[in-house]
Amino acid sequence: SQQGEEDPQALSIQEGENATMNCSYKTSINNLQWYRQNSGRGLVHLILIRSNEREKHSGRLRVTLDTSKKSSSLLITASRAADTASYFCATDHSGSARQLTFGSGTQLTVLP
Amino acid sequence: DARVTQTPRHKVTEMGQEVTMRCQPILGHNTVFWYRQTMMQGLELLAYFRNRAPLDDSGMPKDRFSAEMPDATLATLKIQPSEPRDSAVYFCASGLVQVIDTGELFFGEGSRLTVL
Repeated sequence: SQQGEEDPQALSIQEGENATMNCSYKTSINNLQWYRQNSGRGLVHLILIRSNEREKHSGRLRVTLDTSKKSSSLLITASRAADTASYFCATDHSGSARQLTFGSGTQLTVLP
Repeated sequence: DARVTQTPRHKVTEMGQEVTMRCQPILGHNTVFWYRQTMMQGLELLAYFRNRAPLDDSGMPKDRFSAEMPDATLATLKIQPSEPRDSAVYFCASGLVQVIDTGELFFGEGSRLTVL
């Protein structure tokens, strides 16, 4: 399967701490994206990193990509209770007809 | 504020009944995706359309599921007959997909289907 796998499956931290989530995939990609899903809602795009990029920032988010290890990480700094959600990585694989394959997600709980 | 609109948001039906879910993608987007989300399987791609043409529906059980895009403002996913194992949240997403790159997808709020 080309599906990405997130690690950990669940993460619980205190407000103000940093949260790190990891994603691994199996075949080469054009880009990797991270999405957030609040309970009972649709997915919302957070950030996209292309295969020729190594790091990208957006506000409190930092994404890294290591194509040699086929892995990515999402760091949320200074977490807030409102960051509580599920986070998914999605991969656009080389050779695919331009569609995204989603991982299984990390459930992040930020305790106030 | 452009967004993907899905109806119905919730549907409870009995086994054997026909279910139709509808999606209005964002105007100007060229690709529409249907995903299904369950606790066990996560997010599965069922089908997608580019410029209204079906590109891939290999993720869909062909005998009971059908997806169409009758015009640029409407995509439909139909299940006939429905079964309890079809209970899930069905998401529609749209995006402006380039030849070299799948960019950001915009998701609807989903249609939560319960088949009794």
